[in-house]
Amino acid sequence: NAGVTQTPKFQVLKTGQSMTLQCAQDMNHEYMSWYRQDPGMGLRLIHYSVGAGITDQGEVPNGYNVSRSTTEDFPLRLLSAAPSQTSVYFCASSYAGASWSGNEQFFGPGTRLTVL
Amino acid sequence: GIQVEQSPPDLILQEGANSTLRCNFSDSVNNLQWFHQNPWGQLINLFYIPSGTKQNGRLSATTVATERYSLLYISSSQTTDSGVYFCAAVIQGAQKLVFGQGTRLTINP
Repeated sequence: NAGVTQTPKFQVLKTGQSMTLQCAQDMNHEYMSWYRQDPGMGLRLIHYSVGAGITDQGEVPNGYNVSRSTTEDFPLRLLSAAPSQTSVYFCASSYAGASWSGNEQFFGPGTRLTVL
Repeated sequence: GIQVEQSPPDLILQEGANSTLRCNFSDSVNNLQWFHQNPWGQLINLFYIPSGTKQNGRLSATTVATERYSLLYISSSQTTDSGVYFCAAVIQGAQKLVFGQGTRLTINP
């Protein structure tokens, strides 16, 4: 199993550009989520999904869109990049079962994004 | 929402020393995890421990759910243990993992 994979590893954007960060998992996990990590801080939840076709907002959703058309993939879209979105982005997944909140989460390697 | 607080924020030790990292959380939890973020930024799962005690080599963790804290023990520290250690929790009924601010551990040779 590859686990949770993310592409690209690094990206530089100009203000106003759009892009999509890719996340995929091969563990058949129902739950997937996106976090951002700013310097010296812990991770903050952007959006999450409990299954294909179902998404919801986390703590810092503004400026980001998500969709979940398959169990495996959970892309994160930046519609109009801003310098405040410079961060490291992590994708995570876990088995849901009867109650997602009790299950261990696994993280991808991260995407380091710089917005100029 | 739930508050997750870690202490100490920074810890500098010599190789071979032991250490204890603490994580306090403000609500009853369904999930408590410890992660190590290495110098390359990768988040490594250390323990999934909503309650009880687990051990993995030189590392062990204990969560006392009724008193709302968890401890991570590192024995005989090595330079490769350096990095930031995060705890994260999911409160009962919620669907998000909330992270503490981390403890930065530096092990000097």
